[in-house]
Formats: sequence, C-alpha cells, structure tokens
Amino acid sequence: AQKVTQAQTEISVVEKEDVTLDCVYETRDTTYYLFWYKQPPSGELVFLIRRNSFDEQNEISGRYSWNFQKSTSSFNFTITASQVVDSAVYFCAIRGDNQGGKLIFGQGTELSVKP
Amino acid sequence: NAGVTQTPKFQVLKTGQSMTLQCAQDMNHEYMSWYRQDPGMGLRLIHYSVGAGITDQGEVPNGYNVSRSTTEDFPLRLLSAAPSQTSVYFCASSYYTQGAGEKLFFGSGTQLSVL
Repeated sequence: AQKVTQAQTEISVVEKEDVTLDCVYETRDTTYYLFWYKQPPSGELVFLIRRNSFDEQNEISGRYSWNFQKSTSSFNFTITASQVVDSAVYFCAIRGDNQGGKLIFGQGTELSVKP
Repeated sequence: NAGVTQTPKFQVLKTGQSMTLQCAQDMNHEYMSWYRQDPGMGLRLIHYSVGAGITDQGEVPNGYNVSRSTTEDFPLRLLSAAPSQTSVYFCASSYYTQGAGEKLFFGSGTQLSVL
C-alpha cells in the first residue's frame, strides 16, 4: 500500500519569501511515481509535476523546484519568491507500480501568501 | 475539447435518497477514478477503473457503487445517502506513458450535501 504524509497543514508567508512544502511517502514498490497538484481557491485541480522513482534529478520550472530524495522518501516542493497567486492548497500524491488510475494523495498543505 | 465532464456541479440530498454522479471523458483514456475531498483529509480514492468492464475499490468505497460499461463513462452511485457522504467529489481520467508515468485530468467537481 502507498501512503503520503504532508505534515504541514497550513503555511503562511509574506510575498517574495521562499517556501518549501514537505512531502514524505511510503511504498514497497521499486517503481513508483510521485506528483504534485495545486488547488487554487477556485477549486480545480492543476497538475504541476510527475516524477518516476528512477529519476532523482531535481527539477526547476520558473519559480518552482522539486527535490526528490529516495534516501529519505521525500519529494519536497519549493516556491521561490512567492506571490499572492501562489495561494492555494498543494497536494502530493503517489502511484505504485501497475496501479493505473490509483493515485494516493496526501492531506494537502494550504499555502497563504500575503502581500 | 471537453476533457472530463462531471455533472451535476451541486446537489442536495436527503438522508436515504439515491443518486448518480455522472462522469464522462472524451480523451479515450483507459483509467478513470473517483475521489472525495474533505477538509483536512486531502483527496481519498473511492473507486477506480483500468478499462471498460473493470473496476476496483479504492481507500473509501463503502456506500458507493461504480460501473464502466464504456471507455468514456464512469458513473458513481450513492445507494442510500448519508450525512457522512457530504463532500466534494472529483472524477479523473488518465493515461500511462512508459517512463513518464501517469497524468490525471480532473473534472471540475461536484459539491454534494446530504441533510
């Protein structure tokens, strides 16, 4: 079985601060996939990134970066120079090997960026 | 390009009533899933399907039924609604690519209240 823990329930920062959202996962599969989704106040779920277990390279996309460390079973998400538009709930998720359609999500972290 | 279409967007039921949440996708995706979102609980998987005629239980299947008679449609049935089923429901469809993994496309959600 897969499990994702996002220990930070709520984070509040001031605009332009950097912020890291933590994600710790559990799985017995050798092959698995990790994801981050964003849910802005409007409610839709927006895909941010997916990563397979064989690719531990960090990823950077604009102000967003992701740090995948198998040694600590973590897949943390950093927003650099945060903006008010980054305010949202962020979900980390995992999919095991041969588990099509079966993403397991963490509890989510609500990020509030204040001007 | 409609993507994933969920209906209705809002629904109020009385305890004991039954209803079906509709979900349709036009992307020919093999995988489809239903999630419920509750405050502090993240998204929890109810049921999922890996293809027409194949369904399986997720994390919280009790009180819900599904069927997948076609690739496009994946309705979720509440047999006898209970207040504990008050939630926001999301349908998702996805496809898998070797190496890159799976990418979920979510519907816009259904806000269900059971009185």
